[in-house]
Amino acid sequence: KQEVTQIPAALSVPEGENLVLNCSFTDSAIYNLQWFRQDPGKGLTSLLLIQSSQREQTSGRLNASLDKSSGRSTLYIAASQPGDSATYLCAACFSGGYQKVTFGTGTKLQVIP
Amino acid sequence: NAGVTQTPKFRVLKTGQSMTLLCAQDMNHEYMYWYRQDPGMGLRLIHYSVGEGTTAKGEVPDGYNVSRLKKQNFLLGLESAAPSQTSVYFCASSYAPGASSNQPQHFGDGTRLSIL
Repeated sequence: KQEVTQIPAALSVPEGENLVLNCSFTDSAIYNLQWFRQDPGKGLTSLLLIQSSQREQTSGRLNASLDKSSGRSTLYIAASQPGDSATYLCAACFSGGYQKVTFGTGTKLQVIP
Repeated sequence: NAGVTQTPKFRVLKTGQSMTLLCAQDMNHEYMYWYRQDPGMGLRLIHYSVGEGTTAKGEVPDGYNVSRLKKQNFLLGLESAAPSQTSVYFCASSYAPGASSNQPQHFGDGTRLSIL
């Protein structure tokens, strides 16, 4: 079964700290992996999308990496700010089925001022 | 830019009642999706559509029906609501299939549905 796991479920850090969020997946036959942000009571906002042929993507203070061989992706957030507080979800698009996007359960991040 | 709009935002139903959730997108996307989000389980795909007039089952389709009569709209129906369908429902759309594109899915803000 193709699964996506995010550990820890919650993380609390002081403002200004650099941090890494983890995402692991069980099948290396992956087409792409996305990182989303979800604010309370809101939908998901796409942050970064990494194609299987890529190793990483960057947007501002965010950097996402993809290692298919180890089944891992990381989201690096530099110089964290209270406004970064949200739930971060990763979603992997696996081969073998049309639009088979599998979501992780998310990591709830709190950045303390 | 409206993006993806879901109506209603909240609804409380009694067991056995029916209702329809509406999703509208203004980005001319071919692909639309309905997900449900439950605590500890992540988002699960209910149904999806690859274009006007087409629908297909996702991971958890039982108890739901969908229609895509117009390209911009994707409707999710509950014919006889059950407490197990209490959830937050998200609609999403994309320009191309996620498996072959670098275009992300765009999500609505969700519909919070409670079945008593």
